Amino acid sequence: NAGVTQTPKFQVLKTGQSMTLQCAQDMNHNSMYWYRQDPGMGLRLIYYSASEGTTDKGEVPNGYNVSRLNKREFSLRLESAAPSQTSVYFCASIGDGRVLTGELFFGEGSRLTVL
Amino acid sequence: AQSVTQLGSHVSVSEGALVLLRCNYSSSVPPYLFWYVQYPNQGLQLLLKYTSAATLVKGINGFEAEFKKSETSFHLTKPSAHMSDAAEYFCAVSEGYQKVTFGTGTKLQVIP
Repeated sequence: NAGVTQTPKFQVLKTGQSMTLQCAQDMNHNSMYWYRQDPGMGLRLIYYSASEGTTDKGEVPNGYNVSRLNKREFSLRLESAAPSQTSVYFCASIGDGRVLTGELFFGEGSRLTVL
Repeated sequence: AQSVTQLGSHVSVSEGALVLLRCNYSSSVPPYLFWYVQYPNQGLQLLLKYTSAATLVKGINGFEAEFKKSETSFHLTKPSAHMSDAAEYFCAVSEGYQKVTFGTGTKLQVIP
């Protein structure tokens, strides 16, 4: 079972460049999330999508945009990358039966460095 | 607003010793509480969860946690540490629909 798949796993960008992180899940989950992980700060929610066609801001949305392309896919776009966006990005999803309990399924992460 | 505090960003224990990772939460409603584990270069995976069914929760790999409302705590324990337990552990809280808030994490080192 693939679960939650993220691409790319590693990326180096120059300041001002743009890129899109892709996420796909094969568990038929309605809700999907993008988190960033920084040393000493845990995981912080960037954006989430409760269902296909809807997106909402999380704790740290500035500098990012998202697209819920269909039920399986949820992408995160950096329009003009900044060094402060150097981080590890995680995509996660929740099954319908687990939404109220918040039990997340995570991808393996995308490690982004902005020079 | 919900939040969690993990005491100690790094914890070292000897192999075979007790593991105790501390987590305190703040929530305006009865919370759901979780411990996730992250092995190097991997995503997070659920270790155990509290959803009000029982205050002592058993998880995978011999870990357990006890919900103490009076202390607003949800500490993670394991009686005997194994080398394979070396990882980063995250406490998390959810007040329900959609939003899960994570602590800053505790890296567990197991010394042979």
